[in-house]
Formats: sequence, C-alpha cells, structure tokens
Amino acid sequence: DIQMTQSPSTLSASVGDRVTITCRASQSISSWLAWHQQKPGKAPKLLIYKASTLESGVPSRFSGSGSGTEFTLTISSLQPDDCATYYCQQYDSYPVTFGPGTKVDIK
Amino acid sequence: EVQLVESGGGLVQPGGSLRLSCAASGFTFSNYWMGWVRQAPGKGLEWVANIKQDGSEKYFVDSVKGRFSISRDNARYSLHLEMNSLRAEDTAVYFCARGQGLLISGQIYPGAFDIWGQGTMVTVSS
Repeated sequence: DIQMTQSPSTLSASVGDRVTITCRASQSISSWLAWHQQKPGKAPKLLIYKASTLESGVPSRFSGSGSGTEFTLTISSLQPDDCATYYCQQYDSYPVTFGPGTKVDIK
Repeated sequence: EVQLVESGGGLVQPGGSLRLSCAASGFTFSNYWMGWVRQAPGKGLEWVANIKQDGSEKYFVDSVKGRFSISRDNARYSLHLEMNSLRAEDTAVYFCARGQGLLISGQIYPGAFDIWGQGTMVTVSS
C-alpha cells in the first residue's frame, strides 16, 4: 500500500501569509494526487487534482506542485475562510489512500 | 445542481448489518466511477470502496473485504454500501463520492473524488 504523510500536522498563520503544506508518498505516484479541504462538520471539497490542476471555482490563491513522491499545496495569501483541514489523496493505485491531514488556523 | 445525498446510517450492535444508500442527481450517473469514504470521529479520511460505471469492477480496503459490498443501480441513480459483521471500528461518518474520471489508453479510471455527499453517521455499539 502507498503511505501518505503530511507536514506540518497543524499550522497557525496570519491573514495574508503564504502557507505551504507538504505531502509525501511512500513510492512514486506520478502526478496522481489530489488536495481536499474539509471544514468542521462538512464534506471534503476538491481543490486540486493531478497534482497541480485547480478545480473549477476554487480561488486562484490555491496552487499545487510536485510529482513522484513529493508534493506541495500553497495558499498564496491566507484568508479567514481558509481555516480548515487539508488532506492529500493518491489515486495512482489501490487502495486509495489519504494523508493524515494538516489543520490550518488563523494566528 | 450536481448532488449526492446519503441515507441509511444509524446505531447498530456489533455483528449487525446496515445498508447505506446514496442518491445522485445533476449528472449522468452511469458515466462515473463511484466510491465510499469514511471518517471516524475526530480522525482523518479513509477510502472504503469503489465501483466502476457498469458495476463490473469493485475494490475494497482490506479492513472491510468479505464484510462490505458495494452496488449501484444506474436506472435509479443510486449507490449502495451493504455492511455486515459490523465492528466498533467501523463507527464513522460515511461519505459517498464521485470519481471525476481519468481517460487513459481508452479506459476510464476513477481519478480524484470531485463531488462529495454530506455524509451519514454509522455508530456500532452495544
């Protein structure tokens, strides 16, 4: 099984800050990686797929990069609405696996 | 509006059974892989199962193999998860999700989950 790790596990930053979350896969997954945002009590929401493609309707302050085993999600200017937990998901092979999540809040 | 709505969750005793359903609307259901993802209280996301557009391929996480089954009714735009021999560790919110679809060499693979339902809670407890 492909194990996904994320760092940091929690992140506190100020409004307007640039924020970066890292996701690592235990083996190469090419670019078959998605990022999801989840707010408390809500369903996850797809932000980015194929490592760097922004889902329709997602603000352009979100961006993704990477390939192989190392990936990043960047929020260029953190907004209050971005307080959430972010999960990476690999869909290269079964079983589909998610990272443990990164909780982002406002300092 | 593209929408997925789960139902069927509830409280069940260990060893019991439950059938979850997911009603889809706003898109051509038969064109997409579908899946179930669960989230235990206070924990992260765990993929449970996927089913191909025509139901001919099904995949499960090891922890539910032999206990859970996934099915779909394309005419009724519905997805189901039959859960048997339930354990305390199956307690979670269960989300239904759509695979966005990846076309590779003429075959459609699930891709990322691009549409999610609101979830239905399953509690396994005596």
